[in-house]
Amino acid sequence: AQSVTQLDSQVPVFEEAPVELRCNYSSSVSVYLFWYVQYPNQGLQLLLKYLSGSTLVKGINGFEAEFNKSQTSFHLRKPSVHISDTAEYFCAVSERGGKLIFGQGTELSVKP
Amino acid sequence: DTEVTQTPKHLVMGMTNKKSLKCEQHMGHRAMYWYKQKAKKPPELMFVYSYEKLSINESVPSRFSPECPNSSLLNLHLHALQPEDSALYLCASSQELSSNQPQHFGDGTRLSIL
Repeated sequence: AQSVTQLDSQVPVFEEAPVELRCNYSSSVSVYLFWYVQYPNQGLQLLLKYLSGSTLVKGINGFEAEFNKSQTSFHLRKPSVHISDTAEYFCAVSERGGKLIFGQGTELSVKP
Repeated sequence: DTEVTQTPKHLVMGMTNKKSLKCEQHMGHRAMYWYKQKAKKPPELMFVYSYEKLSINESVPSRFSPECPNSSLLNLHLHALQPEDSALYLCASSQELSSNQPQHFGDGTRLSIL
């Protein structure tokens, strides 16, 4: 069975600093990987996805992620965060049949 | 703005009540999902419909009853719920039920059971 590990439950960072949210997955087959963001009192919004091709994936709001097959990682990065990036971030891997397996989430807290 | 619309946004009900949650999408997606999310936790899959047929039931108690009347609508009927069922209920849709199709989520219904 596939699994996803988000290595940090909370990441505090100052505004305009860079940030990296770490995600590792376990899978023995081809993987499709996703990052979602959940703002307070909202649903999940797709930030970016890796299906195939270039290992560097660009998403919305200035985020990007790098797929690393040898390290089974899909870390999310942003070079300069804003207060408005404060949210919960979920990494997910898609199983056969379309079922999403989520990590436990990382709470990003951006401080002024 | 989300393209998956859920109503109501908030619902408070007693343990003996019957209520329904509604979800609508007009993106032409043929797969629709119900998730339950507790605070500070990831969403947990409950049900999946593909082409209006129930495809996955994650061993959800029978007090939750899903319904897919057409390709744009998904309902979740609630009856005799327990306090532990209080949570955010999220609906999602994807183009097809396939592992390479991203899911699009609504903003959820926050359910409180008294």
